[in-house]
Amino acid sequence: DAKTTQPNSMESNEEEPVHLPCNHSTISGTDYIHWYRQLPSQGPEYVIHGLTSNVNNRMASLAIAEDRKSSTLILHRATLRDAAVYYCIPKGGSEKLVFGKGTKLTVNP
Amino acid sequence: DTEVTQTPKHLVMGMTNKKSLKCEQHMGHRAMYWYKQKAKKPPELMFVYSYEKLSINESVPSRFSPECPNSSLLNLHLHALQPEDSALYLCASSPGLGGGNEQFFGPGTRLTVL
Repeated sequence: DAKTTQPNSMESNEEEPVHLPCNHSTISGTDYIHWYRQLPSQGPEYVIHGLTSNVNNRMASLAIAEDRKSSTLILHRATLRDAAVYYCIPKGGSEKLVFGKGTKLTVNP
Repeated sequence: DTEVTQTPKHLVMGMTNKKSLKCEQHMGHRAMYWYKQKAKKPPELMFVYSYEKLSINESVPSRFSPECPNSSLLNLHLHALQPEDSALYLCASSPGLGGGNEQFFGPGTRLTVL
């Protein structure tokens, strides 16, 4: 499994953009990069995933470096509801989703 | 229906009890998972079922016994648990097993073993 490095915590203000970084320098060529988040007292929630190209959906954008050794999850306008632990997870053909420690995002009103 | 449901939400059991956790999805997903999450830690994979067959057992003690009676249901049978087994038990499902398949998680069952 590819190892990931994420900041332990980040802070943002409401309605400002948030860029959550992730390093995954040992990622294999066929691993997708998945992002999940977990709000307090809830199960994890899928956010977005991508392979090589940048991806957008209604929740967020995912920017993937050209060498695929890092990626950034972008929340365009943070809300209080976005306060959560964000997990970056490389996932290949194996069934496993291996969670690291993640980044705890605090959103200030 | 795009959700994974889990029952019960909370469970308290003694070390000699037998209980079961239930998970259900109606999204037509063919892979289902059990995770265990201790307080302030990330979720850890326990079991994976693919097409109703056990695909992965992450060296989980035999006091945890999974069962997949059909493609929509996943059970976790509990017997002779220890207090250190107290945790949030999460169920998830995905359309398939490949890297491009996202997982959908249920809200979890919070288990306390006395």
